[in-house]
Amino acid sequence: DQQVKQNSPSLSVQEGRISILNCDYTNSMFDYFLWYKKYPAEGPTFLISISSIKDKNEDGRFTVFLNKSAKHLSLHIVPSQPGDSAVYFCAARLYGGATNKLIFGTGTLLAVQP
Amino acid sequence: DAGVTQSPTHLIKTRGQQVTLRCSPKSGHDTVSWYQQALGQGPQFIFQYYEEEERQRGNFPDRFSGHQFPNYSSELNVNALLLGDSALYLCASSLIRTYEQYFGPGTRLTVT
Repeated sequence: DQQVKQNSPSLSVQEGRISILNCDYTNSMFDYFLWYKKYPAEGPTFLISISSIKDKNEDGRFTVFLNKSAKHLSLHIVPSQPGDSAVYFCAARLYGGATNKLIFGTGTLLAVQP
Repeated sequence: DAGVTQSPTHLIKTRGQQVTLRCSPKSGHDTVSWYQQALGQGPQFIFQYYEEEERQRGNFPDRFSGHQFPNYSSELNVNALLLGDSALYLCASSLIRTYEQYFGPGTRLTVT
């Protein structure tokens, strides 16, 4: 049961343009959504998050949008830079009682071309 | 602040053997979670430790066990290794009620 889905395994974007990474989820009980960036041979690095009661959160070049009715979120990177090339994971937190775990999507490999 | 550290970096074991992986959380954090990341997949939750107890467990067999020590560091033990246990094992630390988890670099386990 894949509760968090990233349907695009890869994305290629020109430097300076916008990168849009998408994520869909099925569980309405998720209370936070997070984006992590992962370089090879490193652990995931936290990028940006959004509460389920918000619809937008912005941090510098990164903006996350949440559409609860569609159970969809997206990460926008503007402008894209070659150093942004990495695997991006969408994650959702399930919290309540003894539960406090992250459920990850399968990731999207972003390649920013100079 | 050293962040989350894990040891060893790489490990090669034979099927049927046992392995222990170690994790030191970020300074000030009290909760450690373990994840398994198979090739081409996202991290999968194994279990979480808080106050030296396993709080929640993912869909992993009893061959996977863990421990948390009074200094909040943690170990992941896997018994009777299978070829399918080959993966990157990630440790993440956090404060118990916060949502943001900080990951270590992982331990790459290869079972032959």
